[in-house]
Amino acid sequence: KNEVEQSPQNLTAQEGEFITINCSYSVGISALHWLQQHPGGGIVSLFMLSSGKKKHGRLIATINIQEKHSSLHITASHPRDSAVYICAVSKSSNYKLTFGKGTLLTVNP
Amino acid sequence: GAVVSQHPSRVICKSGTSVKIECRSLDFQATTMFWYRQFPKQSLMLMATSNEGSKATYEQGVEKDKFLINHASLTLSTLTVTSAHPEDSSFYICSARGGDYSDTEAFFGQGTRLTVV
Repeated sequence: KNEVEQSPQNLTAQEGEFITINCSYSVGISALHWLQQHPGGGIVSLFMLSSGKKKHGRLIATINIQEKHSSLHITASHPRDSAVYICAVSKSSNYKLTFGKGTLLTVNP
Repeated sequence: GAVVSQHPSRVICKSGTSVKIECRSLDFQATTMFWYRQFPKQSLMLMATSNEGSKATYEQGVEKDKFLINHASLTLSTLTVTSAHPEDSSFYICSARGGDYSDTEAFFGQGTRLTVV
């Protein structure tokens, strides 16, 4: 079993819909990252969080440390949000990042 | 957040040649840089960790003689794929940490798409 599991693997939505991507992990962590990878491949760091909730524009990330679960929400989705969203955890033992396999989001106009 | 620049973004090389990929931290001193590899539809996999001025630490299964990593300064790390073969074709990404940022913060380069023909 992977240490970081994401769901769903693929997600198709219509423009304007509310999107939720989930991430569960099984190791002790010091932080959890949500990353965005566009078709060209470059990675952008969206959030780093170790507790509670963070918001940036239309993006919201939450984490529940006790349940070892995090969610990434996108409100009023737009075609430009189409990308792969990756959850990664920074292990508390060595700060190395372990990545989920990513969620491919496609937002249709 | 901090800026990490990776170059080149794409490279095509002939089998048997070597390719160098650069990773630069533009606005902070990166004491540690990480090199990852990503196969299609797979997670990023850590290849090695490099600390400025010391030898890189390679993950299990990564050939250190094939993937040469140099971290000679606080702003530059290089990954050289030696005697490249088609199976080395992949997407390589670096990330960096250091400066005034906490150890848990990670800043990524844009990635390099390597194709070996």
